[in-house]
Amino acid sequence: SQTIHQWPATLVQPVGSPLSLECTVEGTSNPNLYWYRQAAGRGLQLLFYSVGIGQISSEVPQNLSASRPQDRQFILSSKKLLLSDSGFYLCAWSPQGAEQEKLFFGSGTQLSVL
Amino acid sequence: SQKIEQNSEALNIQEGKTATLTCNYTNYSPAYLQWYRQDPGRGPVFLLLIRENEKEKRKERLKVTFDTTLKQSLFHITASQPADSATYLCALWNQGGKLIFGQGTELSVKP
Repeated sequence: SQTIHQWPATLVQPVGSPLSLECTVEGTSNPNLYWYRQAAGRGLQLLFYSVGIGQISSEVPQNLSASRPQDRQFILSSKKLLLSDSGFYLCAWSPQGAEQEKLFFGSGTQLSVL
Repeated sequence: SQKIEQNSEALNIQEGKTATLTCNYTNYSPAYLQWYRQDPGRGPVFLLLIRENEKEKRKERLKVTFDTTLKQSLFHITASQPADSATYLCALWNQGGKLIFGQGTELSVKP
């Protein structure tokens, strides 16, 4: 069966520090991968999605970047965090080639930038 | 622009009653609509998918309707239980191939 791992679960970082959040998927090949952010009491905002290794689409201009160095690995990064980067970050995957499929989410990372 | 709107106010109901949540969308012509459940501090979990040619879909105590004329979906939980307390999100695949979520409605079921 497929599983998705996301870590760390919580993270407190000072303003201006770098960020690296990692997400891996097991039990499937060539998944579509997504990074969402959820501000407190708000909906999910799509940040990045990827349909293959090295293929990243950015949804909104921001202080963050994403990379997909391996088929089932998706990394969210920042060189210098801002206060506004605080939020709940969620990684998700969906099967490749299946139109309008459901998403499977990781357990999320609560990031606090102080 | 394409928008999805859900009741922003929390819904409080008594155990055993039916909870009804609303999802409205604009500038979309989606072929599918999805509902997810999210517990505090956790990722959303998929519940149901309904297609545009399906007026209604059921899964145990859950029922979803999809009215493409009104551009609205209703999500019902019958015989609600305290364990149903969570935030419920509707979602649509937009024309760019992205799954876009509403802001969610928080449901609280009191014993």
